[in-house]
Amino acid sequence: DAGITQSPRHKVTETGTPVTLRCHQTENHRYMYWYRQDPGHGLRLIHYSYGVKDTDKGEVSDGYSVSRSKTEDFLLTLESATSSQTSVYFCAISEPTRPKDTQYFGPGTRLTVL
Amino acid sequence: AQSVTQPDIHITVSEGASLELRCNYSYGATPYLFWYVQSPGQGLQLLLKYFSGDTLVQGIKGFEAEFKRSQSSFNLRKPSVHWSDAAEYFCAVGAASGTYKYIFGTGTRLKVLA
Repeated sequence: DAGITQSPRHKVTETGTPVTLRCHQTENHRYMYWYRQDPGHGLRLIHYSYGVKDTDKGEVSDGYSVSRSKTEDFLLTLESATSSQTSVYFCAISEPTRPKDTQYFGPGTRLTVL
Repeated sequence: AQSVTQPDIHITVSEGASLELRCNYSYGATPYLFWYVQSPGQGLQLLLKYFSGDTLVQGIKGFEAEFKRSQSSFNLRKPSVHWSDAAEYFCAVGAASGTYKYIFGTGTRLKVLA
């Protein structure tokens, strides 16, 4: 299994509070991704990173920001959490060397915003 | 635009029966195609992938999938289902060049009857 950890694994917070989720990898992969998973929507890409300090938006980036100061860590921040951001968040990594471009997923973080 | 359709939200099969999960994609260029499995409360595990070459690909846990360009499909099959196969299955499409982002289907939840 790919060395990907996410913290925390579970979090309950209140509307309006900031929240930061962490993804840590030990594989030295260049690309990292944040997805959210919601019933009926599958996985939707929030943001991704293609290197240290290099990030870009996905399809559902509003209300989220990311940072990557080291290869191994990718942080997802909800500046002011809303109930619509209650979801399960997954981090993924990949090393974009064709044909080895395969994304591997972390265990997920379940976030509840009250 | 890229899209992935998994037409079956739920599928129920008896243990020992054969299984086929459908996946249709829309993509203007050569796609990379993936199937992932997610057990309850877990992250996504890669079952198999198609990049090029033989259109019938073998994966882990006895699964296989066939790429049919003419039908824009990448259906997942297993000849004999085990109770432990009960999970949610996701199809995903990625670009063969350029961006390393994936698009996921909404998933098919498999229930296995004893």
